[in-house]
Amino acid sequence: DAGVTQTPRHEVAEKGQTIILKCEPVSGHNDLFWYRQTKIQGLELLSYFRSKSLMEDGGAFKDRFKAEMLNSSFSTLKIQPTEPKDSAVYLCASRPGQGYAETLYFGSGTRLTVL
Amino acid sequence: QQKVQQSPESLSVPEGGMASLNCTSSDRNFQYFWWYRQHSGEGPKALMSIFSDGDKKEGRFTAHLNKASLHVSLHIRDSQPSDSALYFCAASEHNNNAGAKLTFGGGTRLTVRP
Repeated sequence: DAGVTQTPRHEVAEKGQTIILKCEPVSGHNDLFWYRQTKIQGLELLSYFRSKSLMEDGGAFKDRFKAEMLNSSFSTLKIQPTEPKDSAVYLCASRPGQGYAETLYFGSGTRLTVL
Repeated sequence: QQKVQQSPESLSVPEGGMASLNCTSSDRNFQYFWWYRQHSGEGPKALMSIFSDGDKKEGRFTAHLNKASLHVSLHIRDSQPSDSALYFCAASEHNNNAGAKLTFGGGTRLTVRP
């Protein structure tokens, strides 16, 4: 089975641009998460979907960050407009969502650099 | 204060040595714990989970959980250079309805010296 696929692996944007990151979860998984990873803050939750419904939108990230699940096998994270402080690795993860205490499967991430 | 705290921030051990990583939670609602490992350029991968008090052994890796003190540890014996990575402790509550989200610690950077 394919794991979680994220594209692109690297993205460079100018300040003020709009960027869209993409994620394909493990086939059949109902839960999908977006995280931001930085050395200072560690792993921060941006969004959490269960069966395409938004369960949590990460509070502090609401204004410029928008995650969507267009269908059960594809999700996007839009950052608009980008700022230099958004430079980070963005990770997508999924899990079956059939019960509790399930392991999360992560993609390899997208490294975003905002100039 | 972070709900899941890890120590030390970084650790260096010789090849063949024992590495011990610690994790403490401040939330008594946490019932399930994981250790994730992240190599450079990759996403985190689940190493092992532990849900009951006591030890759980998988090969060279042993996790220990003490729910009373909310303390989890990971011990790696016979450490290999390939074990060099960032290790995360993660915890979740029991939630049947919405699905509990994971809370991650800040990570421990392990370096195994050849």
